[in-house]
Amino acid sequence: EPEVTQTPSHQVTQMGQEVILRCVPISNHLYFYWYRQILGQKVEFLVSFYNNEISEKSEIFDDQFSVERPDGSNFTLKIRSTKLEDSAMYFCASADSTGEKLFFGSGTQLSVL
Amino acid sequence: DQQVKQNSPSLSVQEGRISILNCDYTNSMFDYFLWYKKYPAEGPTFLISISSIKDKNEDGRFTVFLNKSAKHLSLHIVPSQPGDSAVYFCAASAWYYNQGGKLIFGQGTELSVKP
Repeated sequence: EPEVTQTPSHQVTQMGQEVILRCVPISNHLYFYWYRQILGQKVEFLVSFYNNEISEKSEIFDDQFSVERPDGSNFTLKIRSTKLEDSAMYFCASADSTGEKLFFGSGTQLSVL
Repeated sequence: DQQVKQNSPSLSVQEGRISILNCDYTNSMFDYFLWYKKYPAEGPTFLISISSIKDKNEDGRFTVFLNKSAKHLSLHIVPSQPGDSAVYFCAASAWYYNQGGKLIFGQGTELSVKP
């Protein structure tokens, strides 16, 4: 069964460093998303991406965040200068042309020290 | 921003009995609702969904009921099995207005099914 793949599964970084989280969405999907879950809290929307551009972003997704789909298969989330409060589990998701159901990857646990 | 609420953080049920998980929403534009199941250190897994044009959708042991007037939905699991123990998230979208738009998640309910 096709699945969304995320790498790495864990990332530890120092505050102020740049991190890139990588995702390979399901191949025929057209909508792409990043969500995050801080420990003990709800799953929060960060950004959605369609037709090679951001379609929507949340207040969390400030100038320190960016997304890219560089080669038609990978979908990346970059955090330019990490803060302690960026520590969370980051989930990538994708949806097919109906945009109804999102399929999630297993997440990248980001720890900012 | 509490557009989707799951007021019970946890639920414990005996194996073989019914599990009922509840979810309330406030945004009248929501027209598509989903339930996801999540194990620790894994991503949410899609379970079942319902469009606002229906009031019930069934898939095996899982049934979702939607009461639009009350802005309430529920997930019934019958019979419950120990493998159902996980965190269950309710999610909603305004799909008709924004196809492919974001899902808004509730806080989750941790279900524990005891043998």
